[in-house]
Amino acid sequence: AQSVAQPEDQVNVAEGNPLTVKCTYSVSGNPYLFWYVQYPNRGLQFLLKYITGDNLVKGSYGFEAEFNKSQTSFHLKKPSALVSDSALYFCAVRDPGSARQLTFGSGTQLTVLP
Amino acid sequence: NAGVTQTPKFQVLKTGQSMTLQCAQDMNHEYMSWYRQDPGMGLRLIHYSVGAGITDQGEVPNGYNVSRSTTEDFPLRLLSAAPSQTSVYFCASSYSSRGGGSSGNTIYFGEGSWLTVV
Repeated sequence: AQSVAQPEDQVNVAEGNPLTVKCTYSVSGNPYLFWYVQYPNRGLQFLLKYITGDNLVKGSYGFEAEFNKSQTSFHLKKPSALVSDSALYFCAVRDPGSARQLTFGSGTQLTVLP
Repeated sequence: NAGVTQTPKFQVLKTGQSMTLQCAQDMNHEYMSWYRQDPGMGLRLIHYSVGAGITDQGEVPNGYNVSRSTTEDFPLRLLSAAPSQTSVYFCASSYSSRGGGSSGNTIYFGEGSWLTVV
């Protein structure tokens, strides 16, 4: 069975500082990994994904994530945080051999302080 | 391009009532699914469909029913609402049910339906 862990419920960072939102995963095969962002009272918006190839994936709004197979991690990063980045972030994993699509982590609330 | 459209956005039900959450997508996606979002638990899969006429259960299917008579529509039915079904419900869709190649099958979400059962 596939699973995702987001060890931090809340991450606070000052505007202009780098941010990291952590994610680790467990899947039987080679994973497909995703990051989604959710703003208050809205649906989930796709940020980026890792399927294969370069371990550093660049996505929307200046976000990037690094796939680390040995550590089974897929941490989300941004070099310089904006107040508008404050939102709920979800990591998700998919086993390509499964029809069940995504398994989500519990989410990390990111707050960027002005 | 409307994407994934869910209705209603807000609904209050009494215990024991039934209702249907509607979901439609205009992207000709094969795969559709329903998730519920509860605080501290992320999104959990309720039911999914890999194509018209085919549905299957996810992690938390009890108390819900689905059908997929067309590619575009995937309604979720609450048979007899219970307070434990108070949640935010998201419909999602993607091109294909399986990984295959580099397409990655990005999943697109609707805006959500806030359901309260009293």
